[in-house]
Amino acid sequence: KQEVTQIPAALSVPEGENLVLNCSFTDSAIYNLQWFRQDPGKGLTSLLLIQSSQREQTSGRLNASLDKSSGRSTLYIAASQPGDSATYLCAVSTSGSRLTFGEGTQLTVNP
Amino acid sequence: NAGVTQTPKFRILKIGQSMTLQCTQDMNHNYMYWYRQDPGMGLKLIYYSVGAGITDKGEVPNGYNVSRSTTEDFPLRLELAAPSQTSVYFCASDRTGGIYGYTFGSGTRLTVV
Repeated sequence: KQEVTQIPAALSVPEGENLVLNCSFTDSAIYNLQWFRQDPGKGLTSLLLIQSSQREQTSGRLNASLDKSSGRSTLYIAASQPGDSATYLCAVSTSGSRLTFGEGTQLTVNP
Repeated sequence: NAGVTQTPKFRILKIGQSMTLQCTQDMNHNYMYWYRQDPGMGLKLIYYSVGAGITDKGEVPNGYNVSRSTTEDFPLRLELAAPSQTSVYFCASDRTGGIYGYTFGSGTRLTVV
């Protein structure tokens, strides 16, 4: 059974800092890994999708890496801003088209 | 360009009542999913469908039923609501069975009292 773990559960940083969110998964047989952002009381917004054959994806100040063999992914946020405050969820897609989610990292960026 | 639409956005049910959460998508996606998210937790898969007329159980299906009579619609039925079903419910769809990513609806916040 696929299990996804995200560390840390919560993170508070001052504005402008670069930060890394971690995601690990137990079964390396994945189609892809996706990072989502969730604002309080809202739905999920897809940030980055990394296919199993890829090593990283970038979008603006966000960079996600994938090391399938070790079962790890990181989401790097450069020059953090208060508007980045949200919960970040990592999810992996495995056989049967199912997404398995981690419990998320709650990020607070302080002005 | 609606994407995935869920209704209602909020609902309060009494124990033992029933209701249907609606989900519709206009992207002609074959794959559709229902997830629930409990406070402070990730999402767990309730049911999914790979096309009209085909549904299958996910990780937490007990207390729920689904149907998929059309490509567009994937309603989730709660029979005999229980407090343990208090949660936020998300519907999602995708075209390729997870290969190119998912589109999520904005969620239904359900409270059972």
